[in-house]
Amino acid sequence: SQQGEEDPQALSIQEGENATMNCSYKTSINNLQWYRQNSGRGLVHLILIRSNEREKHSGRLRVTLDTSKKSSSLLITASRAADTASYFCATGLMFSGGYNKLIFGAGTRLAVHP
Amino acid sequence: DAGVIQSPRHEVTEMGQEVTLRCKPISGHDYLFWYRQTMMRGLELLIYFNNNVPIDDSGMPEDRFSAKMPNASFSTLKIQPSEPRDSAVYFCASSLGTSLRRYEQYFGPGTRLTVT
Repeated sequence: SQQGEEDPQALSIQEGENATMNCSYKTSINNLQWYRQNSGRGLVHLILIRSNEREKHSGRLRVTLDTSKKSSSLLITASRAADTASYFCATGLMFSGGYNKLIFGAGTRLAVHP
Repeated sequence: DAGVIQSPRHEVTEMGQEVTLRCKPISGHDYLFWYRQTMMRGLELLIYFNNNVPIDDSGMPEDRFSAKMPNASFSTLKIQPSEPRDSAVYFCASSLGTSLRRYEQYFGPGTRLTVT
């Protein structure tokens, strides 16, 4: 079963608006990552936040992590048409030997209209 | 670096045929992952390798699927015999060793497999 679940499943906004996507998970994690996937392409890593961090920024991206609520959010500010894509959260679980296994959620489809 | 390279990009085959997907990870990456993406099941991890050794293949659906990594720069995922339910996009990804605490994965463009 999927560890992470994104909300909403789909989001439609106008250029310049902010987009917020949420992710909830079930078990303790080592880190949480967000990826973007353009239609017909591979996933692209956006940002990683570790379990001992609460907030992280990268350009127009802001990620928060609340381990007590087992949830994370991704905020894209001043959205552009080029941000149209599917966004996935992936929870990083540590296994013996130092292996970090990612479990992906179902994704949020974001459409940014000019 | 050219990134993770996968071939072919598209594969159409008939049920019962053997299918081989290929992957070249980013040079220097210690981990290699094979994923399958479908609308119904999302993105699923099939198998991963560490330093060319298969570590966890619990995600491989059944014995029809096999994966190898003969060297640090090449891996294959084979399906024999293929079935229509194997139709999906198959992604290969690689990442640096965890000793550096670099957990982000770099994905290839994927192979879209259609089994008729």
